Amino acid sequence: DQQVKQNSPSLSVQEGRISILNCDYTNSMFDYFLWYKKYPAEGPTFLISISSIKDKNEDGRFTVFLNKSAKHLSLHIVPSQPGDSAVYFCAARKYGNQFYFGTGTSLTVIP
Amino acid sequence: DTAVSQTPKYLVTQMGNDKSIKCEQNLGHDTMYWYKQDSKKFLKIMFSYNNKELIINETVPNRFSPKSPDKAHLNLHINSLELGDSAVYFCASSQEGFRGYTFGSGTRLTVV
Repeated sequence: DQQVKQNSPSLSVQEGRISILNCDYTNSMFDYFLWYKKYPAEGPTFLISISSIKDKNEDGRFTVFLNKSAKHLSLHIVPSQPGDSAVYFCAARKYGNQFYFGTGTSLTVIP
Repeated sequence: DTAVSQTPKYLVTQMGNDKSIKCEQNLGHDTMYWYKQDSKKFLKIMFSYNNKELIINETVPNRFSPKSPDKAHLNLHINSLELGDSAVYFCASSQEGFRGYTFGSGTRLTVV
């Protein structure tokens, strides 16, 4: 039973344009959300987070939006750069430190 | 000065063998985890250890056993390896109150 879903396995975007990665979840008890970035042959690295009491969090070129009523999370990257090409995982926490991960979206930024 | 390091990076072994994957963190974190990423790229938690206590034990086969000699280490032992165990295994750590994990670079296990 997959509680966190990333329905787009891949996304291609031109350099300089906006990248929008989406994530849906099913459990309304999730209270904290993360985005991780993963390069090949490396472990995921933390990118940005958002608490369920907020609907937006921004860090430089990265902004995460949370729509609790829709149980939907999105990551915006503006402007996209070739170095952003990676797999992006969203993750959600229900209680304690246990996070549930989506299956990832592979982003390719075309120079 | 790697924060979370796991060895080996690649492991190829035959069915029925017993193998171990080691994990060490130098961040002073109090909780360590093992995640499995299967062929569908799904990252699923297997175990976590907090102060030498197993606090999460998902429904994994008992052929898998975590061993934590101290707070900085969480090793994964796998007995009687099966083809379906082939996956990438990630070690991670976190600190209470810290809302995220630091991951190791993964161990790609291939059972032939």
